[in-house]
Amino acid sequence: EPEVTQTPSHQVTQMGQEVILRCVPISNHLYFYWYRQILGQKVEFLVSFYNNEISEKSEIFDDQFSVERPDGSNFTLKIRSTKLEDSAMYFCASRMLRGGVTDTQYFGPGTRLTVL
Amino acid sequence: KNEVEQSPQNLTAQEGEFITINCSYSVGISALHWLQQHPGGGIVSLFMLSSGKKKHGRLIATINIQEKHSSLHITASHPRDSAVYICAENTGNQFYFGTGTSLTVIP
Repeated sequence: EPEVTQTPSHQVTQMGQEVILRCVPISNHLYFYWYRQILGQKVEFLVSFYNNEISEKSEIFDDQFSVERPDGSNFTLKIRSTKLEDSAMYFCASRMLRGGVTDTQYFGPGTRLTVL
Repeated sequence: KNEVEQSPQNLTAQEGEFITINCSYSVGISALHWLQQHPGGGIVSLFMLSSGKKKHGRLIATINIQEKHSSLHITASHPRDSAVYICAENTGNQFYFGTGTSLTVIP
């Protein structure tokens, strides 16, 4: 069964460093998402992406964050200058078409980001 | 502001019991999602609802648009159902999540 993959599974970085989290969505999916979950807290929406541009973004997704689909398979989340409070699990998800018969989101296993 | 409230926060049940988890949301939605988060952290999408009721195996999800309320039911619960169940509302292409209901099913 096709699945969303994410790399790395765990990333440790120093405060102020740039990190790139990578996701490979399911191949025929067109909508892509990033979420984060700070330890012990609820899942939070960061950004949605469709047709090579951001569809919606939350208040969390400030200028320190960016997303890109550099090729036909990868979908990346970049944090330019990490802060301690960026430590969280980051989930990527993808789905087919808006309003399509199958509108389920498929989540990746997550990348745990630890900022020291 | 979008608020998603779930109840109960924690739930312990005996194997075989019928379980109900409730979700209330505050604004009009495109869809309401139920997700399952396993102890290891992985998230699985269970249902997406915009009206009525959906069933998948022992899981049933219902939504009342007028009351802005949804329920997730688990029939004949099993220890493998132990997980955190999360309700999320989808407005446009933004998502707002509840804090989750932690379910433990005891054999």
